[in-house]
Amino acid sequence: NAGVTQTPKFQVLKTGQSMTLQCAQDMNHEYMSWYRQDPGMGLRLIHYSVGAGITDQGEVPNGYNVSRSTTEDFPLRLLSAAPSQTSVYFCASSQDRPNTGELFFGEGSRLTVL
Amino acid sequence: DQQVKQNSPSLSVQEGRISILNCDYTNSMFDYFLWYKKYPAEGPTFLISISSIKDKNEDGRFTVFLNKSAKHLSLHIVPSQPGDSAVYFCAAKATHNFNKFYFGSGTKLNVKP
Repeated sequence: NAGVTQTPKFQVLKTGQSMTLQCAQDMNHEYMSWYRQDPGMGLRLIHYSVGAGITDQGEVPNGYNVSRSTTEDFPLRLLSAAPSQTSVYFCASSQDRPNTGELFFGEGSRLTVL
Repeated sequence: DQQVKQNSPSLSVQEGRISILNCDYTNSMFDYFLWYKKYPAEGPTFLISISSIKDKNEDGRFTVFLNKSAKHLSLHIVPSQPGDSAVYFCAAKATHNFNKFYFGSGTKLNVKP
């Protein structure tokens, strides 16, 4: 009963380094997304995908890349980390339904950029 | 500009009393609303939702009220329990763009024993 699994849970980077946050779900959900949580800002959508091969930008996409080669996986890439990307990142999935379809979240990945 | 707002960063209530968490939204196209609960070091978990065709939805101790004319929703927890202490996020989405969820900044609820 894994649900949504994120790795790593914690990561410290230096400015300019690159890394990938991994996200996998085993619920056969079509929709997957990445959010960042910052104090006083709530959860803000970075990128999302409505199915394999399809991705789109959310509210705060700059500095992040995504791809969706399989239904299960949706990695988030930081190509050149900046201190402004210090945050807690959450991956979420749901069935792709308009009037229902709550999001299921992973446990989060705390990223610090020095 | 945030389309979903939770103006109270924190709320403290006594065990057994009612907790009322509020949320306002600005986008009139939003037609589905959700509440999530988040404990420290965990991801948010779904709590309760409401469609814009209703003005109330109840699930055990949790009730969500929607006032479309005021663009306001609230979550009532009765009776409040210490285990309810968490951060509560409200979220909204629109049918025409149903893959985008918009979240408020959260309200930290503390239920005192």
